[in-house]
Amino acid sequence: DAGVTQSPTHLIKTRGQQVTLRCSPISGHKSVSWYQQVLGQGPQFIFQYYEKEERGRGNFPDRFSARQFPNYSSELNVNALLLGDSALYLCASSSPGQGLEQYFGPGTRLTVT
Amino acid sequence: SQQGEEDPQALSIQEGENATMNCSYKTSINNLQWYRQNSGRGLVHLILIRSNEREKHSGRLRVTLDTSKKSSSLLITASRAADTASYFCATDTFYNQGGKLIFGQGTELSVKP
Repeated sequence: DAGVTQSPTHLIKTRGQQVTLRCSPISGHKSVSWYQQVLGQGPQFIFQYYEKEERGRGNFPDRFSARQFPNYSSELNVNALLLGDSALYLCASSSPGQGLEQYFGPGTRLTVT
Repeated sequence: SQQGEEDPQALSIQEGENATMNCSYKTSINNLQWYRQNSGRGLVHLILIRSNEREKHSGRLRVTLDTSKKSSSLLITASRAADTASYFCATDTFYNQGGKLIFGQGTELSVKP
């Protein structure tokens, strides 16, 4: 079975630009969560979506938004990029009926110059 | 903000030795999980321990949980060079089961052959 996939793998953007990151969960998983991991730190929660509805939001500005599609894939959008948005963006999927573990994708490395 | 702190921040041992990492957290939890991350890639789930459990084993891994001290430890026995990675503890609360995970800052483990 395919794990969580994310695209693109790497991305370089300029300050002020907008970026869209994509995530496909494990087949059968209906919950997707997004995390930001700055170098040298642990991941920080951004959003959780379950059955296409936002179920949780971390302490991130409104420049960050996300959505989940009918096939449970998800997009994370970040507008007006700042240098501080440079990070590894991780997507995780889970299935409440199959335990509480979250399965992470390989991440998208975003560099803002 | 980070929920907890891992101790030590970095650990260097020889192959065959045991590695112990500690995690402390601030608020009451529902579950505590440990994840491994290799070279800034995606996180791999290692083990989950529920708040009503005190100890759990999985292969060479042993996790303990002391809810009165709000702390957990991860023991890796007979370490191998392939265990070299960053290790994170993550907690979820009764109100965010299976969704929002709060990570510590991680312990960087180096196992020398």
